[in-house]
Amino acid sequence: QSALTQPASVSGSPGQSITISCTGTSSDVGSYKYVSWYQQHPGKAPKLMIYEDSKRPSGVSNRFSGSKSGNTASLTISGLQAEDEADYYCCSYAGSLSWVFGVGTKLTVL
Amino acid sequence: EVQLVESGGGLEQPGGSLRLSCAASGFTFSTYPMNWVRQAPGKGLEWLSNITPNSNLIHYADSVRGRFTISRDNAKNSLYLQMSSLRAEDTAVYYCVRDQDFSFDYWGQGTLVTVSS
Repeated sequence: QSALTQPASVSGSPGQSITISCTGTSSDVGSYKYVSWYQQHPGKAPKLMIYEDSKRPSGVSNRFSGSKSGNTASLTISGLQAEDEADYYCCSYAGSLSWVFGVGTKLTVL
Repeated sequence: EVQLVESGGGLEQPGGSLRLSCAASGFTFSTYPMNWVRQAPGKGLEWLSNITPNSNLIHYADSVRGRFTISRDNAKNSLYLQMSSLRAEDTAVYYCVRDQDFSFDYWGQGTLVTVSS
């Protein structure tokens, strides 16, 4: 199973919106409604931000939203804040109780 | 409060073995599937293995199948990862992760495994 494709880096200024894409295949992203997104600050464990393509866990800001079209999922962060600067990973269920992560995207808040 | 605490990491020689443990608390451990995910230094996340609540189904990533064994003891609220035939490329932080509806909702703080001679 190959890693999902994400841009290596994205950036934005405070208050702006950014979108991170996550491209897989018809065997993973395109087959299941189980794309999730994780935020990871340096030296910390990942944190679940979006599950089932577009659902937000309790406690996650509504500035974070997820969507999917075909084999590509997207994470949008609106109203960028300094604390959003982190690495972001997408993840897709790939069938037979297996998962595949994206390569990760470094978000810089300018 | 859900807590997952990994232990057992350390320095091991290539070809050696190591057993990681994860102590779970704050939730009904026996009802949740569990996973191991790792992250090599400066690299991305890699899913390794999943075990269902009653251990009847277990799956592994190709990179560790045949070398790593996941198990759990519901009576002890514990998850394990037995690692053998270790390679330099197994050097990573290993996370114990709870599975909720096909996403990973709680993560431990991780334990570092270093494979080097």
